[in-house]
Amino acid sequence: ELKVEQNPLFLSMQEGKNYTIYCNYSTTSDRLYWYRQDPGKSLESLFVLLSNGAVKQEGRLMASLDTKARLSTLHITAAVHDLSATYFCAVDTGYNFNKFYFGSGTKLNVKP
Amino acid sequence: SQTIHQWPATLVQPVGSPLSLECTVEGTSNPNLYWYRQAAGRGLQLLFYSVGIGQISSEVPQNLSASRPQDRQFILSSKKLLLSDSGFYLCAWGDRVAQYFGPGTRLTVL
Repeated sequence: ELKVEQNPLFLSMQEGKNYTIYCNYSTTSDRLYWYRQDPGKSLESLFVLLSNGAVKQEGRLMASLDTKARLSTLHITAAVHDLSATYFCAVDTGYNFNKFYFGSGTKLNVKP
Repeated sequence: SQTIHQWPATLVQPVGSPLSLECTVEGTSNPNLYWYRQAAGRGLQLLFYSVGIGQISSEVPQNLSASRPQDRQFILSSKKLLLSDSGFYLCAWGDRVAQYFGPGTRLTVL
């Protein structure tokens, strides 16, 4: 079965700093997704990456996908407190009715 | 545009009681539908998915069941709830590109 590993699981950082969240997966896929979840809320779609080398940016967040390395990164630039949330990556093999495999999530706390 | 609804938003039920959670999608036809559960502070566990009316696939054997009586309606049920059924239940619909999540139902079993 496909395994998706995120690291770190917990991240506490100061405002203004940069950091990267990593998402590794165990089998071939060129479809990867990033979601944000605020406490007590549902998942909000952030990025959809559908090919090797895909890079997408929204505000202070940038996501990239390297299908050969089976790795996606979510880079945070000059973090602000509003980015505090849990971030999940998910992989879709494109088979099996678009079943998603989720990572465990990275809980980000940005200190003012 | 597409919209996904879930109800109820919160539910407190005693152990051994039945359960029915409903999910409906608007603005799309023949979507893939999914039920996930999230335990407190944890990741998502896929429970069921459906690619059409009456077609349900179960991912985790347990005391829950799902049904899809209409194209855009997905129901999660149980005859007798367990304490371990507590959690945040999320319904999602999917096209060929991504999955989109509903607002969720928070279930507490006492």
